[in-house]
Amino acid sequence: KAGVTQTPRYLIKTRGQQVTLSCSPISGHRSVSWYQQTPGQGLQFLFEYFSETQRNKGNFPGRFSGRQFSNSRSEMNVSTLELGDSALYLCASSLGTGEKDFFGPGTRLTVL
Amino acid sequence: AQRVTQPEKLLSVFKGAPVELKCNYSYSGSPELFWYVQYSRQRLQLLLRHISRESIKGFTADLNKGETSFHLKKPFAQEEDSAMYYCAFRLYGQNFVFGPGTRLSVLP
Repeated sequence: KAGVTQTPRYLIKTRGQQVTLSCSPISGHRSVSWYQQTPGQGLQFLFEYFSETQRNKGNFPGRFSGRQFSNSRSEMNVSTLELGDSALYLCASSLGTGEKDFFGPGTRLTVL
Repeated sequence: AQRVTQPEKLLSVFKGAPVELKCNYSYSGSPELFWYVQYSRQRLQLLLRHISRESIKGFTADLNKGETSFHLKKPFAQEEDSAMYYCAFRLYGQNFVFGPGTRLSVLP
């Protein structure tokens, strides 16, 4: 089985711009979760989707949003980028909540 | 708010020595506890979770509700165990909360 893939792998944006990151889960997985990883804050949960519905949301401002499509692929969007949004964004997929999750390689976003 | 603490940022042990990575959480109920590992240049991956009570790569972790701890242990460390280890906590159906991580360095 192919693993979780994330595109793009690297991204450079400037403050005020918006960005969309994509995550393709393992075939058959219906749950996708997103995380932000920074040296200062560590790993923080962003949101979880299951069958196109957001199940949980972490403590992030409304500039961070996401969605999941019928094929379970997921996107996350960050609007009005700030310098502090520079991070590695990870997604993980699983069969469902409580099942073992598998992580993608991440998208490294740099905001200048 | 729920929190996970990992008191050691860096832990160095010699090959063959026992290793214990500490994890404490702040919640009095029945959470799910996990250990994740990230080897150099590899993806974050689940190492083990308390509900499965399994041993992976020689590592075990026991949930101690009285001490609200979920320490990760291995009797004989190997060089390939060198990695970043994250303890994580989740109430059923809710968000994951991760600890800050402990970098384990196993010296030859």
